[in-house]
Amino acid sequence: AQKVTQAQTEISVVEKEDVTLDCVYETRDTTYYLFWYKQPPSGELVFLIRRNSFDEQNEISGRYSWNFQKSTSSFNFTITASQVVDSAVYFCALSEAGSTGGGADGLTFGKGTHLIIQP
Amino acid sequence: NAGVTQTPKFQVLKTGQSMTLQCAQDMNHEYMSWYRQDPGMGLRLIHYSVGAGITDQGEVPNGYNVSRSTTEDFPLRLLSAAPSQTSVYFCASSYTFSGNTIYFGEGSWLTVV
Repeated sequence: AQKVTQAQTEISVVEKEDVTLDCVYETRDTTYYLFWYKQPPSGELVFLIRRNSFDEQNEISGRYSWNFQKSTSSFNFTITASQVVDSAVYFCALSEAGSTGGGADGLTFGKGTHLIIQP
Repeated sequence: NAGVTQTPKFQVLKTGQSMTLQCAQDMNHEYMSWYRQDPGMGLRLIHYSVGAGITDQGEVPNGYNVSRSTTEDFPLRLLSAAPSQTSVYFCASSYTFSGNTIYFGEGSWLTVV
């Protein structure tokens, strides 16, 4: 069965510091999808990125970057020059596309990392 | 630009009462699902649907019913609410169930007393 581990329950940094959120996943499928979502204090879930298992190219979007390494089953998320508005809970999630459920059994979420950016 | 719409946003129920959380999407998505979020647990899948007339159970289905009579709507029913169902509920949808971005509603905060 699939599993997502976010070992960092809470991280606190001072504004402008760089911070990396770790995500380690387990899956038996060769085809799968990884996601990051942001949940700000207002509670909604904001989609950040989707990555399929065949695309190991790292991605950068402004101050956000993602490092996908199949060899270590990790999909880490880095915020450069953090800002107070980045304070939120961040979830990593996995969706399998294998033969059993075809991904229909939805996303498996990690338990989230609460990121606190202090001014 | 509604996306995924959930109602109500907040609800307090007494133990044993029934209620329905409504979910509607206007993106013509085939796949819809319900998750619950509990402190320290992340989100867990309750039920899902891969198209109108088709539903199935997720990880934590007990105490909940769903139906999918139209592509747009996917209501979640609590037949006899229990305090253990106090949670935040999220409805989600995507074009298909495999690999597409899943979009979430804004959440429904349910308290059962």
